[in-house]
Amino acid sequence: DTGVSQDPRHKITKRGQNVTFRCDPISEHNRLYWYRQTLGQGPEFLTYFQNEAQLEKSRLLSDRFSAERPKGSFSTLEIQRTEQGDSAMYLCASSFPLGNEQFFGPGTRLTVL
Amino acid sequence: GQQVMQIPQYQHVQEGEDFTTYCNSSTTLSNIQWYKQRPGGHPVFLIQLVKSGEVKKQKRLTFQFGEAKKNSSLHITATQTTDVGTYFCAGEDSWGKLQFGAGTQVVVTP
Repeated sequence: DTGVSQDPRHKITKRGQNVTFRCDPISEHNRLYWYRQTLGQGPEFLTYFQNEAQLEKSRLLSDRFSAERPKGSFSTLEIQRTEQGDSAMYLCASSFPLGNEQFFGPGTRLTVL
Repeated sequence: GQQVMQIPQYQHVQEGEDFTTYCNSSTTLSNIQWYKQRPGGHPVFLIQLVKSGEVKKQKRLTFQFGEAKKNSSLHITATQTTDVGTYFCAGEDSWGKLQFGAGTQVVVTP
């Protein structure tokens, strides 16, 4: 399968724990995006990368969230000291630069107890 | 900042009927994209509109971009059960970042 993959698909954690998600984009794509989606809402932008450079981080994102894309290939999203409000689907997408369709992965569903 | 709004939030349609969903942005967009998300699935790209007043068709789906590049619509004719899902519009800013609307959830009654 040459699509976007995400791991894990589901994560259940206790409040206060740290979690890390991984995204493997389509190999030719140099842009990688992270979104968060809650029930009944559209994907909410979190951050994005062009190659290994993080271009923007949402102002809505607290400093408990950090993302990396060390070699311009896969990316990780870490949430420290999780809170119940962090429960959501975390989606990764990749694309060629500007003005191109984004290909979404299946997402990681996070549940914080 | 840029805000993208969609109406209606829900659309119940009888199979065979037509419907339209609307998308409005608070700012002028460089382009607008439409995605479909099936229940339990992830968003899948449908189309991109770039030019002012552009109209594109995909079989029973007609997409339109407003003259001012601040609004868009998706019209589906002769709805089928395969059209079930949530349709999102997403406005792209000049930096390539997408702002998604809340979506229109479509339920089709046979």
